[in-house]
Parts: sequence; C-alpha cells; structure tokens
Amino acid sequence: QKEVEQNSGPLSVPEGAIASLNCTYSDRGSQSFFWYRQYSGKSPELIMSIYSNGDKEDGRFTAQLNKASQYVSLLIRDSQPSDSATYLCAVNPYSWGKLQFGAGTQVVVTP
Amino acid sequence: NAGVTQTPKFQVLKTGQSMTLQCAQDMNHNSMYWYRQDPGMGLRLIYYSASEGTTDKGEVPNGYNVSRLNKREFSLRLESAAPSQTSVYFCASSEVIIYGGTYEQYFGPGTRLTVT
Repeated sequence: QKEVEQNSGPLSVPEGAIASLNCTYSDRGSQSFFWYRQYSGKSPELIMSIYSNGDKEDGRFTAQLNKASQYVSLLIRDSQPSDSATYLCAVNPYSWGKLQFGAGTQVVVTP
Repeated sequence: NAGVTQTPKFQVLKTGQSMTLQCAQDMNHNSMYWYRQDPGMGLRLIYYSASEGTTDKGEVPNGYNVSRLNKREFSLRLESAAPSQTSVYFCASSEVIIYGGTYEQYFGPGTRLTVT
C-alpha cells in the first residue's frame, strides 16, 4: 500500500464548477499536509498548506483535513481552464521536513 | 530573487558517463532536497541536506552522490549513468515553519535527463 494515495484521474470538470480532489495517507502521526500544482513540463508549485483539522481557504482553493480519517482534500471553486494541471498531495510523516508525495491527480477543466 | 535555480535544463548522457546537476537557492533556506519524478511514480526523494554540512539518503539513493557546497548550493552527481536514471530531477529548498515543526518546500525548474 502506498503511503500517500490519490486518484490518478483525469478528473474532468466543466468550467465554473467545483473540482474535488482527495488524498489519503497511512501514517497516523503525520502533522503537515500540502497541495502542489504542477503544469505539464513544469515544476511543482505550492498552493496550499494545512496543519490542523478543518478547512482552510485561500482564494478559490479550500483545503480540508480530517486526521481521524487520515484524509485531506482540495476543492477548487469556479474552475478555470488555467486550473488544468496535475495536483500533488504531500504529507510530512516525520519530525521534520521530509515529505511523501502522492502520484498526483490530473485535472482537466473543459470550457 | 530567483528562488531555486537548476542547471542544466536538459542533458543526454550515454550509459557509463558521469555528470553533476547543480542547484542553488537564494532564499536563505537551511534545508535542500533532490527528487526524481517518473511517470506514475510521483516525486521520490534521492538525498537531502537538513543543514549546511549534513547530507542523508532518501528513498532512492543508489547510483547518486551529493555535495552540500555551502548554504546556497547542493549538487547531485551521477558517477556512472544508467538508463534507469532517465528521469526529471528536481531540487527543492525549505526553511523551518514554526507551527508543527515542518517545512514548506519550494522547487526549482527541473533537469530533464536522458541516458541512452
């Protein structure tokens, strides 16, 4: 079993709709969680970090964390074609900065 | 403020050749990392350096060596390249985020390496 799991997609989302991405992790002691966006041929770009249970909103992005269920999600509201990318979930299962990454979910926003 | 820079952007090697990938950051970060990214595998940590003067193995260190030259620079060396090392290589850096004692990592543009 992979330590950080994501649906690979592609997740097809109509323009203006909400994209919902899910991530589960295996290490119950994980403390920090990140979402990265990666456009094709480019490097990962940090878009959200979340450390405590609940929701965290930043513009059109909302990260949701449930440590009891070992589940973190990302919502993208009012999806735009520019949101078409692969979204990587990253989890910190250690006492410091090493991260474990999921394989990513590809999102395709259709006009 | 360039962030994290990597050279070269592209490289083609023959099996058995050696090369060094260079990485530098201007964010005054303490920690630096080397990852490789392969289709369907996500990002895998090769080596990391928690602070200047220290380096440690990550998940897939075989066939690689690293040098933390100073606080800014962290290089990755392939001594004898193999086709299995064909990949995209990313360098990242981070600084302590006090809450939770963790780090947000920032990535360089990557090096696309092909070994024939």
